[in-house]
Amino acid sequence: DAGVIQSPRHEVTEMGQEVTLRCKPISGHDYLFWYRQTMMRGLELLIYFNNNVPIDDSGMPEDRFSAKMPNASFSTLKIQPSEPRDSAVYFCASSFTGQANTEAFFGQGTRLTVV
Amino acid sequence: DAKTTQPNSMESNEEEPVHLPCNHSTISGTDYIHWYRQLPSQGPEYVIHGLTSNVNNRMASLAIAEDRKSSTLILHRATLRDAAVYYCILIGNFNKFYFGSGTKLNVKP
Repeated sequence: DAGVIQSPRHEVTEMGQEVTLRCKPISGHDYLFWYRQTMMRGLELLIYFNNNVPIDDSGMPEDRFSAKMPNASFSTLKIQPSEPRDSAVYFCASSFTGQANTEAFFGQGTRLTVV
Repeated sequence: DAKTTQPNSMESNEEEPVHLPCNHSTISGTDYIHWYRQLPSQGPEYVIHGLTSNVNNRMASLAIAEDRKSSTLILHRATLRDAAVYYCILIGNFNKFYFGSGTKLNVKP
């Protein structure tokens, strides 16, 4: 397996534009997580899915952020409209189960810059 | 979620052992202790995890205190490629990972 695949790797957009980040989890993994990393706040959990269903989105910063998982092999994180403070590295991760003794696999991340 | 406390940074010489400490005094009985690391410009990478007993794998060893309120990640021979931020994380019944600030490990040649 190629691991968790995120696209694009880098995204530069203008303030007010819609941004869509994409993630393909490892096949067979039932859990998918979206994280955001900034220098100021470190790694923050935004939302996670179990079997394509959003379970906890309490980390989503505001209504401008939305995430979907239409099927087991694809998830998107959308920001509309984007703002400069959304600039960060966004990571997607997946794991086989939700049990506490399971490791998670992270993608390479998408570096988002909003100008 | 239970919190962990780690030193902000540590330094090691290449090919010497490194002991990275983590305090987790509020750990609950079902929490697993996980360690992840993040190399520069990469996503976090799983290192090791344990519940009560010490654990070894090809990357590292994990020593867990008898009362489980602290743990130590041991890199037996640090290499330059081990320079990274190391995160100690407690995970309960649901697979939500909350990362603290981690320990930035610098390895000197």
